Amino acid sequence: TQLLEQSPQFLSIQEGENLTVYCNSSSVFSSLQWYRQEPGEGPVLLVTVVTGGEVKKLKRLTFQFGDARKDSSLHITAAQPGDTGLYLCAGASSSNTGKLIFGQGTTLQVKP
Amino acid sequence: NAGVMQNPRHLVRRRGQEARLRCSPMKGHSHVYWYRQLPEEGLKFMVYLQKENIIDESGMPKERFSAEFPKEGPSILRIQQVVRGDSAAYFCASSRVRTGGNEQFFGPGTRLTVL
Repeated sequence: TQLLEQSPQFLSIQEGENLTVYCNSSSVFSSLQWYRQEPGEGPVLLVTVVTGGEVKKLKRLTFQFGDARKDSSLHITAAQPGDTGLYLCAGASSSNTGKLIFGQGTTLQVKP
Repeated sequence: NAGVMQNPRHLVRRRGQEARLRCSPMKGHSHVYWYRQLPEEGLKFMVYLQKENIIDESGMPKERFSAEFPKEGPSILRIQQVVRGDSAAYFCASSRVRTGGNEQFFGPGTRLTVL
């Protein structure tokens, strides 16, 4: 069974600070996606990484896929209150069955 | 371009009743996935369908749950004889292809409450 361990589960920081969220597994994934979910809404796709070692930037967010495609990280620079939310990583099975395996999520609170 | 649509957004049922959740995928998407999010838990895969076919139902409970994606119309997740433990948020996602990046786009969810 493929599992994704996401850490930390909760993070409360001040506006302007940097943070990193980690997503780790002992399994290889064909791709990995990061989502952000607001209360009462569905997850919104932020980025997809496919190639081992790949780095993608989305404004103040930097996403990295591990060389072995078993882990990923999300780094936020100079966090803002608008970044507050639940961040989810999800891996696509290497057997390409179509389903996504989700991490438990990281609840981020950025205080002004 | 309309996103993934789900209805109803909120559904209240009494124990023993049936719940029907509907999902219309994004235009041009023929792959539909259902996930369940229990309180304080992450999203768990339930079933993956392509038009008229169930591709992977490994996450579906063996009894009371069924899903379909007919040639015409939305995908339906059906829960018969609901119990309190079925209370959760049910999300539908769709994708254009299965291979490659397999980017899945999610709907707003249906929040099911069983009294």
